[in-house]
Amino acid sequence: GAGVSQSPSNKVTEKGKDVELRCDPISGHTALYWYRQSLGQGLEFLIYFQGNSAPDKSGLPSDRFSAERTGGSVSTLTIQRTQQEDSAVYLCASSLEVGRSNQPQHFGDGTRLSIL
Amino acid sequence: RKEVEQDPGPFNVPEGATVAFNCTYSNSASQSFFWYRQDCRKEPKLLMSVYSSGNEDGRFTAQLNRASQYISLLIRDSKLSDSATYLCVVNQAGTALIFGKGTTLSVSS
Repeated sequence: GAGVSQSPSNKVTEKGKDVELRCDPISGHTALYWYRQSLGQGLEFLIYFQGNSAPDKSGLPSDRFSAERTGGSVSTLTIQRTQQEDSAVYLCASSLEVGRSNQPQHFGDGTRLSIL
Repeated sequence: RKEVEQDPGPFNVPEGATVAFNCTYSNSASQSFFWYRQDCRKEPKLLMSVYSSGNEDGRFTAQLNRASQYISLLIRDSKLSDSATYLCVVNQAGTALIFGKGTTLSVSS
């Protein structure tokens, strides 16, 4: 497709379950980013990938969060043993490459995650 | 001090009005600056990049003052469709975008 694609659009799950969120970036974009937006809050950066490599994982909120990217394309964000505070919209973005700060990042529609 | 600060508003203006939003950022090493627009329950969409020389795109004008660490967005002849949250965004190192919490604009007929 032409834009960043995320799935699922919505996910409702019980506390303690694991969830996996998927992002398919714009074709040709080597840089991929994950953010989350909690209700009434600004967007919070989580992690970025240049190719399949994530050099800095310090933005992940806890060790229950992990992310991977394979083939330089699709990325998955996994949250283990979900907690209610994980409820948020998880947004993925992509850009041509990391390190070129003037390149805008283009966002997907997000996954709205609700933890019961 | 927050990295990117904006007046949350809301700004309630009639159609045809001119409205200005301001934003300040704390890290003087910031390299690139953007305004994004976010509609309710939608993803952020790039509105425009911001340059020190100032730039204009139709009814929208953006300005950056690096000395004051200040960014502005001016919207002329407001339309109903301009109603949204406007996000001031800074990029420091070509990786993470740092977002302000946004300024809400409501344009009424």
